[in-house]
Amino acid sequence: DTAVSQTPKYLVTQMGNDKSIKCEQNLGHDTMYWYKQDSKKFLKIMFSYNNKELIINETVPNRFSPKSPDKAHLNLHINSLELGDSAVYFCASSQYSPYEQYFGPGTRLTVT
Amino acid sequence: AQSVSQHNHHVILSEAASLELGCNYSYGGTVNLFWYVQYPGQHLQLLLKYFSGDPLVKGIKGFEAEFIKSKFSFNLRKPSVQWSDTAEYFCAVNAGGGATNKLIFGTGTLLAVQP
Repeated sequence: DTAVSQTPKYLVTQMGNDKSIKCEQNLGHDTMYWYKQDSKKFLKIMFSYNNKELIINETVPNRFSPKSPDKAHLNLHINSLELGDSAVYFCASSQYSPYEQYFGPGTRLTVT
Repeated sequence: AQSVSQHNHHVILSEAASLELGCNYSYGGTVNLFWYVQYPGQHLQLLLKYFSGDPLVKGIKGFEAEFIKSKFSFNLRKPSVQWSDTAEYFCAVNAGGGATNKLIFGTGTLLAVQP
């Protein structure tokens, strides 16, 4: 029974395209996150939502737009994809407290 | 700004050897500390966490970590590693709390255990 799921697992696309990644959690958590893991395995937070409200918006290009239709879902839409967007994108969720985050399996995005 | 340093980028050990991975953070206030593990091709899994209380915390798979406040450190240890411990290990700090609950990750340590 998957706690945090993401689709798709792999995404290969060309520069300039628009793509979306979906995330769902069935843990009943209030908060969801998007992290980016680059080719050197460095993980950095991009966004977080608490009860559908944007809480954290790190320095991320405007081409990235998260959307949370309800507190169990957090999607990531990326416009005009660039080569530098190639990475693994992880969704995570947590309760408001005690801050422990549960991660999804990741989406490996390759932009050619 | 908060930051996390992992000094060992790549560690190679033989099975049954003892492991210690260093982690230091920079933040003067109350922190929550975590170690996550990422097995090849898999997602991050929580190994252990420290919120308060006993600074020596035990996690899954025989791992433990010690929080030393005076040294801003949270080193991960395991007395005897196994081949199956081969993975990337990430130390993380949550220094925001509440609505700004974001994890700051270290750059990771790749552990390779040789049989």
